[in-house]
Amino acid sequence: SAVISQKPSRDICQRGTSLTIQCQVDSQVTMMFWYRQQPGQSLTLIATANQGSEATYESGFVIDKFPISRPNLTFSTLTVSNMSPEDSSIYLCSVEDFEKLFFGSGTQLSVL
Amino acid sequence: AQKVTQAQTEISVVEKEDVTLDCVYETRDTTYYLFWYKQPPSGELVFLIRRNSFDEQNEISGRYSWNFQKSTSSFNFTITASQVVDSAVYFCALSEAQRGYSTLTFGKGTMLLVSP
Repeated sequence: SAVISQKPSRDICQRGTSLTIQCQVDSQVTMMFWYRQQPGQSLTLIATANQGSEATYESGFVIDKFPISRPNLTFSTLTVSNMSPEDSSIYLCSVEDFEKLFFGSGTQLSVL
Repeated sequence: AQKVTQAQTEISVVEKEDVTLDCVYETRDTTYYLFWYKQPPSGELVFLIRRNSFDEQNEISGRYSWNFQKSTSSFNFTITASQVVDSAVYFCALSEAQRGYSTLTFGKGTMLLVSP
């Protein structure tokens, strides 16, 4: 199965700042996904990132708030912009590998 | 629209008891996948199973078994002889062919607490 590394694992940020989360996979994958898990809640898909094209955002998520880069087939970043306390969540990247969806260990973000 | 319902928010059992986690789904797509994931206290999501809509055979993997019934739109998960290490939040999820097989809709999760 694919090995997914996410950085940072956790961070505490001030309101109004931005944080970029990195996701590195040990193999080339076509599609990478970013999910959000708010405290005590389920996971919600933010966007799908394909290499070489603009990310596709789910309803309720916009590029200005969550810009995504996908420069190659093993790497992606998600930026949480102009953060507010409501953005405090765990952010997870995931990849499809052999018809299974695997997740990174997540980035726990707290916004003060 | 797709939806996954896990009505049990929290279940507590004593070690060695059997426990069933319920999952009911809604979809208009005839082709879809169902998943179960485990999220232990460490936070990482662990893939347990994927089942496609055309395969209604039940599956057993060690102490884990899954019962897929299209007639009731359910995909229930049973742990036999539970152990303390089974304590985690378990998520059921659905993906549809129309949205892409890797675009998952998750249920709210069931927290399982297994005490010694």
